[in-house]
Amino acid sequence: DAGVTQSPTHLIKTRGQQVTLRCSPKSGHDTVSWYQQALGQGPQFIFQYYEEEERQRGNFPDRFSGHQFPNYSSELNVNALLLGDSALYLCASSLRREEYFGPGTRLTVT
Amino acid sequence: GDSVTQMEGPVTLSEEAFLTINCTYTATGYPSLFWYVQYPGEGLQLLLKATKADDKGSNKGFEATYRKETTSFHLEKGSVQVSDSAVYFCALKTGGTSYGKLTFGQGTILTVHP
Repeated sequence: DAGVTQSPTHLIKTRGQQVTLRCSPKSGHDTVSWYQQALGQGPQFIFQYYEEEERQRGNFPDRFSGHQFPNYSSELNVNALLLGDSALYLCASSLRREEYFGPGTRLTVT
Repeated sequence: GDSVTQMEGPVTLSEEAFLTINCTYTATGYPSLFWYVQYPGEGLQLLLKATKADDKGSNKGFEATYRKETTSFHLEKGSVQVSDSAVYFCALKTGGTSYGKLTFGQGTILTVHP
């Protein structure tokens, strides 16, 4: 049983560009959450998707948006990238219980 | 709002030493409490959890007890190994286990020397 997978593993973008990160949840899981982990910090909640709708959102600007597909996979989009968006982006999936995390996508904005 | 405070690190121990990592929290409502571990270059792994007061979570020799009166969830292990070297995060979840969001502490780096 594959766990949570994320792609790409690493990404380098320039300020002002847009980026899309992808997540495939653990088999059978229907809820996907995204977290941002800056270097040396704990993860910060971005938003959560369930049944293709955004169910909760953390304190992140509208530049951060997402989508969940009928197969429960999800995308995180970030527009107008800032240097401060450089971080490890973690996806977590769940099915009414604890969350399982993927390995993350390391985004570097130059 | 909800918040989690972990003891300042990093923590450096010799193999077989006793480990304590302190964690206190502030939450509206009745949270579930978690410890996650992050090994270098990897995502987070759930280490243990507790969902109500006085519950003890345990896994791989690690333990933590949900103390509502002191709003604490300290992580302990009686004898650490080099392989325990990692970053440890305390976290809470409110709004129900099924769809609540996790709020994390800042993490504690543990290094264990042979």
